[in-house]
Amino acid sequence: KNEVEQSPQNLTAQEGEFITINCSYSVGISALHWLQQHPGGGIVSLFMLSSGKKKHGRLIATINIQEKHSSLHITASHPRDSAVYICAVALDAGGTSYGKLTFGQGTILTVHP
Amino acid sequence: DTGVSQDPRHKITKRGQNVTFRCDPISEHNRLYWYRQTLGQGPEFLTYFQNEAQLEKSRLLSDRFSAERPKGSFSTLEIQRTEQGDSAMYLCASSYLGGGSFGPGTRLTVL
Repeated sequence: KNEVEQSPQNLTAQEGEFITINCSYSVGISALHWLQQHPGGGIVSLFMLSSGKKKHGRLIATINIQEKHSSLHITASHPRDSAVYICAVALDAGGTSYGKLTFGQGTILTVHP
Repeated sequence: DTGVSQDPRHKITKRGQNVTFRCDPISEHNRLYWYRQTLGQGPEFLTYFQNEAQLEKSRLLSDRFSAERPKGSFSTLEIQRTEQGDSAMYLCASSYLGGGSFGPGTRLTVL
């Protein structure tokens, strides 16, 4: 079993729909990251969470430390949101939030107009 | 600051050849990480440096792989005697206590 599991692996939506991507992890962490990867490979950091909830524009990320679970929500989805969304956790015992990351396998999101 | 840069962005090589990739981190970042991502999978950790010291290497990093960060700034990742299974995206990331960033990656294709 992978230390970081994402669901769903593939997600197709119509423009305007509310989208949720889930991430579960099995180990203690210092931080959880949500990342976006477009075709071509570049990775962009969306959020870094150690507790609670963060919001940036139409994106919302939540984390429940006790349940070892995080969700990424996209409100009013748009075709430009189409990308791979990756959950990653920092297991660094030194407590560095941006330390060595363990990644989920990614969720491929396609938003149709 | 232009962020983390990697060179080359794409490399096509024949099986058995050696290849070297370079990563230039954000200047004030003391930690540098190498990851490998195969098609359809999330990235996997290969190795990381704190300043010039290589502190951890994954079991994925076989004897054919070597990484250096000689002056604690840029890093190189060399793969000797490439195999078709080495075809992947090689990602570099750098960080310090308060933040981190990924590079654009080097896509390696071994024919």
